Amino acid sequence: AQRVTQPEKLLSVFKGAPVELKCNYSYSGSPELFWYVQYSRQRLQLLLRHISRESIKGFTADLNKGETSFHLKKPFAQEEDSAMYYCALTGNTDKLIFGTGTRLQVFP
Amino acid sequence: EPEVTQTPSHQVTQMGQEVILRCVPISNHLYFYWYRQILGQKVEFLVSFYNNEISEKSEIFDDQFSVERPDGSNFTLKIRSTKLEDSAMYFCASIWLAGDPSSTGELFFGEGSRLTVL
Repeated sequence: AQRVTQPEKLLSVFKGAPVELKCNYSYSGSPELFWYVQYSRQRLQLLLRHISRESIKGFTADLNKGETSFHLKKPFAQEEDSAMYYCALTGNTDKLIFGTGTRLQVFP
Repeated sequence: EPEVTQTPSHQVTQMGQEVILRCVPISNHLYFYWYRQILGQKVEFLVSFYNNEISEKSEIFDDQFSVERPDGSNFTLKIRSTKLEDSAMYFCASIWLAGDPSSTGELFFGEGSRLTVL
């Protein structure tokens, strides 16, 4: 079964502190992993995907198949990073399976 | 920039009433989806739609639910007889071409329709 686990409901940090939002997945094949973000009063939007190996807004995420993890990291958090972050995967179909989300609060 | 649009933004209905939520996907997209999010819970897949038919549906998507693409632009979700537990935010999403690595997983979401069943 496909499953995405985000153990933290809320992560609070001060501006400039490092951030790591945890994501673990369960899938028997080779999944595609994504991070979606939802800023206050805005729609869900793609932040980054593992196949592109890019850094977006200073965020990176590395797929670790051994640990079945896809943690999202940023070395220095900014106030504008405050949002809901959802880890998601697709397997052999095109539907996205979402985790429960982590709310990131960055305090000034 | 093209966007997925959804109407209404909020609908309040009585239990047992029929509800239709409307979506206009991005015009050159081929796959369409409905997701829902019950307050405080995760975003859950309901159904995907391609080539004028359902390609996949979840356990949530029972006989009370149906989807339709009545014309070239709209994509609707109908709930035949609403229940209290149908209260949620319903998101429509679309994607250009499944299987294309450059677009895989990048669903474009609408802002959602909040359904409140009393």
